[in-house]
Amino acid sequence: QKEVEQDPGPLSVPEGAIVSLNCTYSNSAFQYFMWYRQYSRKGPELLMYTYSSGNKEDGRFTAQVDKSSKYISLFIRDSQPSDSATYLCAMRRDSNYQLIWGAGTKLIIKP
Amino acid sequence: EPEVTQTPSHQVTQMGQEVILRCVPISNHLYFYWYRQILGQKVEFLVSFYNNEISEKSEIFDDQFSVERPDGSNFTLKIRSTKLEDSAMYFCASSEEGFSGNEQFFGPGTRLTVL
Repeated sequence: QKEVEQDPGPLSVPEGAIVSLNCTYSNSAFQYFMWYRQYSRKGPELLMYTYSSGNKEDGRFTAQVDKSSKYISLFIRDSQPSDSATYLCAMRRDSNYQLIWGAGTKLIIKP
Repeated sequence: EPEVTQTPSHQVTQMGQEVILRCVPISNHLYFYWYRQILGQKVEFLVSFYNNEISEKSEIFDDQFSVERPDGSNFTLKIRSTKLEDSAMYFCASSEEGFSGNEQFFGPGTRLTVL
């Protein structure tokens, strides 16, 4: 079983829709959960991070972590064409530095 | 806004040659990282560096790889004898804190092509 699983998509939605992106993971030791956005041939850009379980909101973005189900989500409200990118989840244990990554979901917002 | 920078943006080299990839982390950050992303694959952790020594490394980071902070601003990744399978995007990242810090900020990457 892969440590972090993420549907690569592509996911295509109309402008203004609510987008839901998800990752599942197998290692219950993960405590820090991040969402990065990556445009083509660019570096990952940190969008959201959450420690342990719970929700976090920042503007149009909401991150949710459900540790009991080993499931994390990123919601994007009022999606815009500029949100079109690959969204990567990443996570790590409390006691080390390395981020373990999902494969990334390619998101396309159609005008 | 402070950012991580990397040079060169694209490096082409022959198999067996040595390459040095350079990074300038964000100035007040203390923890530095290298990741790579082979085309179409996941981002993979290579190494973390703190206080002038490696704090953690992955299985990928074998004897062919080394890192150095040669001065107060640069952070380098050296590959001694490149192989075809080293072709990838290499990302440098830095963070202000270590275990308790969540925010690793990434540079734009160096595309390494090994011929």
